Amino acid sequence: DIQLTQSPSFLSASVGDRVTITCRASQGIRSYLAWYQQKPGTAPKLLIYATSTLQSGVPPRFSGSGSGTEFTLTISSLQPEDFATYYCQQLNNYPITFGQGTRLEIK
Amino acid sequence: QLQLQESGPGLVKPSETLSLRCTVSRGSISSSSYYWGWIRQPPGKALEWIGSIYYSGSTYYNPSLKSRVTISVATSRNQFSLKVNSVTAADTALYYCARIKVGAADNWGQGTLVTVSS
Repeated sequence: DIQLTQSPSFLSASVGDRVTITCRASQGIRSYLAWYQQKPGTAPKLLIYATSTLQSGVPPRFSGSGSGTEFTLTISSLQPEDFATYYCQQLNNYPITFGQGTRLEIK
Repeated sequence: QLQLQESGPGLVKPSETLSLRCTVSRGSISSSSYYWGWIRQPPGKALEWIGSIYYSGSTYYNPSLKSRVTISVATSRNQFSLKVNSVTAADTALYYCARIKVGAADNWGQGTLVTVSS
């Protein structure tokens, strides 16, 4: 199985900050990576797929990049509604796997 | 807007079978563009992909669960289902159904909590 390791696991930041979350794969996954946002008590929401394609309706302050084994999710200017847990997911190999999550909290 | 809704018992006894159904509304499960999947999340933990199905019935299962899991589709009712046999406390989780596009889950149900306990 491909292991996905997100860093950091916990991030404290302020409104307006630029933040980056990294997802490292245990082997190459080409560009088959997605990012989700999950708020407490709600289902995950797809933000980005195919590494950098923004899902319809997702604000452009979210962006994704990377290839191979290292990928990043960047939020250019944090908004109050962005404080949540973020997960990466690889789609290159079965079984499909998720990272352990990055919890983003208000400083 | 597409909607997915999970339904099924919230409490299952150890060694019994967990059965959930996902009803799709405002969209067709027979679309050739999508798969339909199940994902679970133990309390306070990360997401785990259980498996997915195409409207034709072809399936993929996570090998870690494959021997215990069956996913089926009922296109006439616009529903797909999940069965997990021989459950233990480790199967206690929030279970989500989702629509799968290019491998990513772009629409999710609200989730249903299933607790395994006697």
